[in-house]
Amino acid sequence: AQTVTQSQPEMSVQEAETVTLSCTYDTSESDYYLFWYKQPPSRQMILVIRQEAYKQQNATENRFSVNFQKAAKSFSLKISDSQLGDAAMYFCAYRPSGGGGADGLTFGKGTHLIIQP
Amino acid sequence: DGGITQSPKYLFRKEGQNVTLSCEQNLNHDAMYWYRQDPGQGLRLIYYSQIVNDFQKGDIAEGYSVSREKKESFPLTVTSAQKNPTAFYLCASSKGRYTDTQYFGPGTRLTVL
Repeated sequence: AQTVTQSQPEMSVQEAETVTLSCTYDTSESDYYLFWYKQPPSRQMILVIRQEAYKQQNATENRFSVNFQKAAKSFSLKISDSQLGDAAMYFCAYRPSGGGGADGLTFGKGTHLIIQP
Repeated sequence: DGGITQSPKYLFRKEGQNVTLSCEQNLNHDAMYWYRQDPGQGLRLIYYSQIVNDFQKGDIAEGYSVSREKKESFPLTVTSAQKNPTAFYLCASSKGRYTDTQYFGPGTRLTVL
């Protein structure tokens, strides 16, 4: 079974600074998808960024970028120029690309990101 | 305006009662999912459906049931067999199976009194 580990229960960063959230995962599959979701106090899960494992290029979305290290099974999220609205729980998630297993996301336990004004 | 709606936002249940959580989407997505979130935890998969009239158990299906009679709707019933049902429940959908991004509804908070 796949597992996703987020080793930082809480992170704090000054507004306008850069912060990196860590995620590692365990899978025997070679093809899969990785995601970062944001959950603000409203509890709505919002997609931040997505990475296909077969793509070597790291995904970017404006101020958000990932460092995907397939061999190390690491998928960290970098937030540049942090803003107050970035404060939220951030979840790393894994999804298989097929193969007969359950078609759902496997989530880490989350990192609570605090933005200091 | 396309999206996923869940109702009610808050639900209170007495022990021994079954309750049904609603999930509707107008995104024309084929696949739909139910997740449970407990305090300090990530989401865990309860059930999923990739096409109408078909659904599969996820990691924590015991005490739950679902139906998928229409493409737009995927209701979740929390039965009295679920020993600890108090949690936040999130519904999601994706255009297709496995490869597509899942998008989430706003969630339902269920509390057992």
